[in-house]
Amino acid sequence: DAGITQSPRHKVTETGTPVTLRCHQTENHRYMYWYRQDPGHGLRLIHYSYGVKDTDKGEVSDGYSVSRSKTEDFLLTLESATSSQTSVYFCAIRDGLNTEAFFGQGTRLTVV
Amino acid sequence: GESVGLHLPTLSVQEGDNSIINCAYSNSASDYFIWYKQESGKGPQFIIDIRSNMDKRQGQRVTVLLNKTVKHLSLQIAATQPGDSAVYFCAENPVTGNQFYFGTGTSLTVIP
Repeated sequence: DAGITQSPRHKVTETGTPVTLRCHQTENHRYMYWYRQDPGHGLRLIHYSYGVKDTDKGEVSDGYSVSRSKTEDFLLTLESATSSQTSVYFCAIRDGLNTEAFFGQGTRLTVV
Repeated sequence: GESVGLHLPTLSVQEGDNSIINCAYSNSASDYFIWYKQESGKGPQFIIDIRSNMDKRQGQRVTVLLNKTVKHLSLQIAATQPGDSAVYFCAENPVTGNQFYFGTGTSLTVIP
């Protein structure tokens, strides 16, 4: 799976609690992305990173923050989880623009 | 965000027949396109890509066609097999962006 590990793979959390998802890569790729996948919406971009400490917002960034302190790790934080953030979250990496992206196995998050 | 849509949300084909999955995109400045396959419970998997300076690209049993005039992309799968049953996504990368955008997906079912 192109050296991408997402953790945890499954999580149930309560409304209002903070949650952090981790994406770890061993490919030394420059670009890292966080997507969420919901029925009827396909994959929507939350945030992405184009280098260490360089991040930008995607289509659905409200309620999420990210950090990238080193090349291999990209963290997604839900500052105060809501039920609308129940989803499957995917991390993706790619080496450069106009190249294919490789995806992790996903994290299924349930906010109750 | 960008508009990347699919003409048909579901497609059923007989085993051995050819499959054609269509995708429309809205940004004429996009110069790179990717097709992904997603099996249940897994992350998207890269199938094939094409750049805007090409009209056609072939892989193993798959062909991608790009019609820039009508902003249309298609994925052809030859001799469809049961293992091809999955959801297929197209994605586009605008020439000026670090991001890539996904359509909502087409679910392909292969009937034995």
